[in-house]
Amino acid sequence: SQQGEEDPQALSIQEGENATMNCSYKTSINNLQWYRQNSGRGLVHLILIRSNEREKHSGRLRVTLDTSKKSSSLLITASRAADTASYFCATDPSGNTPLVFGKGTRLSVIA
Amino acid sequence: DAGVIQSPRHEVTEMGQEVTLRCKPISGHDYLFWYRQTMMRGLELLIYFNNNVPIDDSGMPEDRFSAKMPNASFSTLKIQPSEPRDSAVYFCASATDRNQPQHFGDGTRLSIL
Repeated sequence: SQQGEEDPQALSIQEGENATMNCSYKTSINNLQWYRQNSGRGLVHLILIRSNEREKHSGRLRVTLDTSKKSSSLLITASRAADTASYFCATDPSGNTPLVFGKGTRLSVIA
Repeated sequence: DAGVIQSPRHEVTEMGQEVTLRCKPISGHDYLFWYRQTMMRGLELLIYFNNNVPIDDSGMPEDRFSAKMPNASFSTLKIQPSEPRDSAVYFCASATDRNQPQHFGDGTRLSIL
C-alpha cells in the first residue's frame, strides 16, 4: 500500500534555482527518509529525519517534517544539472513493517 | 565497500522461460529486500529477509515467484514460468535494520518477450 505520496509528480527548473518537493503520508511514523534515483541506477539514500525532529540539513539539502500535517518537504538549493533525478520519500510506519516508498518526483534541472 | 551487487544487469528472454536474478548484499547487513519497479506501479516490495529468513512475502505477486537466501551473502529471486507482464526493473537492497537506510543495487532490467 502506498504510504508516502510525492508532489509534484514532475518538476522542471533552471540551474541555480531552488527545488522543493513534498511528501504526504497517512499513518504515524518513526522516521521519514528521502532517496534519489538517477536514470538506470538504484536508489541512493539522502537523509533521514526522525519523528521528533522538525528540520534537518545536509549540504544543499534541507528536509522539514510536520507530523501534525503528516507531511515532509525536501528543498534543494542552488540546483545543478547533476541534481536531475527522481526523488522518493520513504516512511517508516509505526509497527513492525519495513519502509514504504512513494512514487517519486521527477526533477529536471536545465542548464 | 563494494555496495549491493546484482546480476545480471539486463535479461531478455522469452515467455515461459525460467529467470533467476541474483543479489549480494553489503556484508554485515542483516536485512535484504527485493523490489520491482514499473512506471505504472512504482516501487513495490516483493519480499524481505532478516538473517536469511523470509519475514514477509506478501508482495510476491504469484506462485511463479520465489526467493531464497541460502546464506548471508547471497539471495536469488526466481520467476518460473516468466510472462511478459513480469517485465520490470528488479532491485535488491540491504540494510542494518528494518527501518534504517537501505542500500540499493543498480537493478536487473528484465524483458520478457
